[in-house]
Amino acid sequence: EPEVTQTPSHQVTQMGQEVILRCVPISNHLYFYWYRQILGQKVEFLVSFYNNEISEKSEIFDDQFSVERPDGSNFTLKIRSTKLEDSAMYFCARGGRASIQYFGAGTRLSVL
Amino acid sequence: AQTVTQSQPEMSVQEAETVTLSCTYDTSESDYYLFWYKQPPSRQMILVIRQEAYKQQNATENRFSVNFQKAAKSFSLKISDSQLGDAAMYFCAYRSAQGGSEKLVFGKGTKLTVNP
Repeated sequence: EPEVTQTPSHQVTQMGQEVILRCVPISNHLYFYWYRQILGQKVEFLVSFYNNEISEKSEIFDDQFSVERPDGSNFTLKIRSTKLEDSAMYFCARGGRASIQYFGAGTRLSVL
Repeated sequence: AQTVTQSQPEMSVQEAETVTLSCTYDTSESDYYLFWYKQPPSRQMILVIRQEAYKQQNATENRFSVNFQKAAKSFSLKISDSQLGDAAMYFCAYRSAQGGSEKLVFGKGTKLTVNP
């Protein structure tokens, strides 16, 4: 099964700036997830999104994070005021058959 | 809360040989899913294999198989006939099948090196 497409592949931003990471599903899916992976560390769950609503979020997903699906297709993760510690790989995943999650190639976020 | 532990930060294997990666997990749930994901240098997460906790039969996918020991909460991955393309980080992951949570809980990963 195809995964999702993430853009951009690499985003460089200044501390305090807002960034929007995008996830484009190949077809019409309902379940989406965001994860992040700080360099050299494990992959951590951020948020799950079902039918245009947040269904679960982690402690990491605080008020500076938001998700939405503005046009019914693209699924976005917004970080309002980036910090140095937000530098990480951000992965979007979509839910598939048999409870499998299919990951995109990730967006590498570098906060300077 | 569920936790996943991978006790081997790094492993190496000779090409064409067999290697086993370890994973243990902690949960009070009886129904769940377990996964192995591969992350090559490109850093994309690729599903290797999946196991449902209620199934006693160990999952297999070509050269990849698991040894699922539910009572021991152990889920190891065996790679047979290792190939250079198998070199990657391997992550074990847990997902609940009850209570509505769909998040994957990952271990810290094992870096596999395949020597020619």
